[in-house]
Amino acid sequence: AQTVTQSQPEMSVQEAETVTLSCTYDTSESDYYLFWYKQPPSRQMILVIRQEAYKQQNATENRFSVNFQKAAKSFSLKISDSQLGDAAMYFCAYRSAYDFGNEKLTFGTGTRLTIIP
Amino acid sequence: DAGVTQSPTHLIKTRGQQVTLRCSPKSGHDTVSWYQQALGQGPQFIFQYYEEEERQRGNFPDRFSGHQFPNYSSELNVNALLLGDSALYLCASSSDFSSYNEQFFGPGTRLTVL
Repeated sequence: AQTVTQSQPEMSVQEAETVTLSCTYDTSESDYYLFWYKQPPSRQMILVIRQEAYKQQNATENRFSVNFQKAAKSFSLKISDSQLGDAAMYFCAYRSAYDFGNEKLTFGTGTRLTIIP
Repeated sequence: DAGVTQSPTHLIKTRGQQVTLRCSPKSGHDTVSWYQQALGQGPQFIFQYYEEEERQRGNFPDRFSGHQFPNYSSELNVNALLLGDSALYLCASSSDFSSYNEQFFGPGTRLTVL
């Protein structure tokens, strides 16, 4: 079974600064997807960024980028130019790329990000 | 285009009762997944429905059951409620024909069991 670990329960960053959230995972599969989701106080889970394991290039979405280290099974999220609206719980998630119907997401326990004005 | 909707928003039940939660998927989506998110935890996968059948199931007891209707909407039923069932229940929809089968989440139903 796959597991996802987020070792930072809480993080804080000054507005406009850069912050990195950590995530490690364990799997015996070679092909999979990794995701970062944001859950603001409104509770709705929003996809921030995704990474396909077979792609060596790190994914980037505007101010959000990842550092994907497949051998180390590490998947960190970097938020640049932090904004007040970035304050939320951030969850790292894993999904197998094998088999039709094997689409469940396995989540970590989350990191609460606070933005300091 | 309406996203994933869930009802009700909040629900309070007592131990031993039964509850039904509802989910309408995003337009064009045919697959619905349910997750349980306990306070301070990440979501845990309950099960997934596709073509009105349970396609995949997580590590949850038989007290948790579901249904998918021909219009792709779905229900989650929980019988013999326990205090530990108190959680946020999230519904996510996806399409097997979309890129990455990306799951779009609803706002959740907060269930409190007293």
